[in-house]
Amino acid sequence: GAVVSQHPSWVICKSGTSVKIECRSLDFQATTMFWYRQFPKQSLMLMATSNEGSKATYEQGVEKDKFLINHASLTLSTLTVTSAHPEDSSFYICSARGTSLSYNEQFFGPGTRLTVL
Amino acid sequence: ELKVEQNPLFLSMQEGKNYTIYCNYSTTSDRLYWYRQDPGKSLESLFVLLSNGAVKQEGRLMASLDTKARLSTLHITAAVHDLSATYFCAVGWTISVNTGNQFYFGTGTSLTVIP
Repeated sequence: GAVVSQHPSWVICKSGTSVKIECRSLDFQATTMFWYRQFPKQSLMLMATSNEGSKATYEQGVEKDKFLINHASLTLSTLTVTSAHPEDSSFYICSARGTSLSYNEQFFGPGTRLTVL
Repeated sequence: ELKVEQNPLFLSMQEGKNYTIYCNYSTTSDRLYWYRQDPGKSLESLFVLLSNGAVKQEGRLMASLDTKARLSTLHITAAVHDLSATYFCAVGWTISVNTGNQFYFGTGTSLTVIP
């Protein structure tokens, strides 16, 4: 149990375009989903926390207009990188936390590698 | 300010040797997690430590938590090449009701085990 998927696994896009990344909890309902960014050889940085049906809470320094987060259902959250630029190239990882006690911890997705040319 | 620091950042060790990775954090928490990350991959959960004095072992890895000292350790016994990876600790904090238990990750320790 507690499987989280991400789509796509990797994406290459041109500068100025927008990219959407999906995060799905496959076998549990996730009231809260988290988005992290990881630059090469660095740690994971929490970008934002999203609760189903409400606006995301962004960490300090993360541009909410650039990184649009939507958590429309208990199994899906999306991260849209708008007008992507090369400095947005990174590994984006989502995690999901469930409603029941068994799933109170965070379960991580496989990650999406974004390369902006 | 919430800080999670790991020591060392890089570690190269020979097979068969023992070593300990340290994770220090700045604010009281009773939830500490250890993860492994292989190159290009996401996180693999290793241990969840939820109380002071908690000790967990799996194979050649053993993790402990001292909440009073705000310190967790990951001890490697008789290292083998397959343990080569980056290891992260993460501390759980509840900042607000809206966000619940958030994770803040340590700097990571890149471990290379030399045959």
